[in-house]
Amino acid sequence: IAGITQAPTSQILAAGRRMTLRCTQDMRHNAMYWYRQDLGLGLRLIHYSNTAGTTGKGEVPDGYSVSRANTDDFPLTLASAVPSQTSVYFCASSPTSGNTGELFFGEGSRLTVL
Amino acid sequence: GQNIDQPTEMTATEGAIVQINCTYQTSGFNGLFWYQQHAGEAPTFLSYNVLDGLEEKGRFSSFLSRSKGYSYLLLKELQMKDSASYLCASLDSNYQLIWGAGTKLIIKP
Repeated sequence: IAGITQAPTSQILAAGRRMTLRCTQDMRHNAMYWYRQDLGLGLRLIHYSNTAGTTGKGEVPDGYSVSRANTDDFPLTLASAVPSQTSVYFCASSPTSGNTGELFFGEGSRLTVL
Repeated sequence: GQNIDQPTEMTATEGAIVQINCTYQTSGFNGLFWYQQHAGEAPTFLSYNVLDGLEEKGRFSSFLSRSKGYSYLLLKELQMKDSASYLCASLDSNYQLIWGAGTKLIIKP
C-alpha cells in the first residue's frame, strides 16, 4: 500500500540521548516535512525538504536535524533529547516541490523524553 | 503575527448539521485548508479554498471569505464516525502552512 511509513510508532527516551525518527515514502513525492503536534497547539513545522538533496528550517528547528539523501527517506534526528521535545511527530509529503497545502501524513511517532 | 483561531471543542447530535468556524491572519494568503484527524491518527486532507464562496464535497462543505479572513467547515447528516478533530490551516505568502490548534467535534447519539 502506497504511503508514508514512520518508525518507531512510540518511544520513551532518556534526556541527553540521541534519537532518529525514520520516515519513508513510496509515492515519489518531491517535498517532505516534519511537524510536531502538541496539545493545544497547531502543527508546527520543524524542517522541510522541497526535493532530494535540499533541506530547510521551519518554525521550530532548534535541537533537530534532517537529511534528504534520496527521494524516499527523510529522517529526523534529535542530537541530545530534552523533555520539551516530548511530542507526537508527523512526517508528511506533497507531490510538488513547493507546498501546495495538500499533504499526506504518516501515522506519527509518539516520543516521550524523561 | 500569524494566527489561526478556531473553537477548541464542539458537540453535535447524530444526523444534525454543524458549522466549525475558523478565522485567520497570515502574511499573505494562498489558500485555506481543512484536515480531519481522528484521535491517535494522522491528519487527512478534506478541502481547499482559495476563492471566495462555498465548495461542496458530499456531506462536507467549506466556505471562504478572503475579505473577512474567515472560513467555515459545514458537516451535514452527522455520523458517529465524524467524531474527530478538524484542523484549519492557511497557506501564507511563503507557501508555509499555518495551522490552528484544531476543533474537537463530539457527536452524540
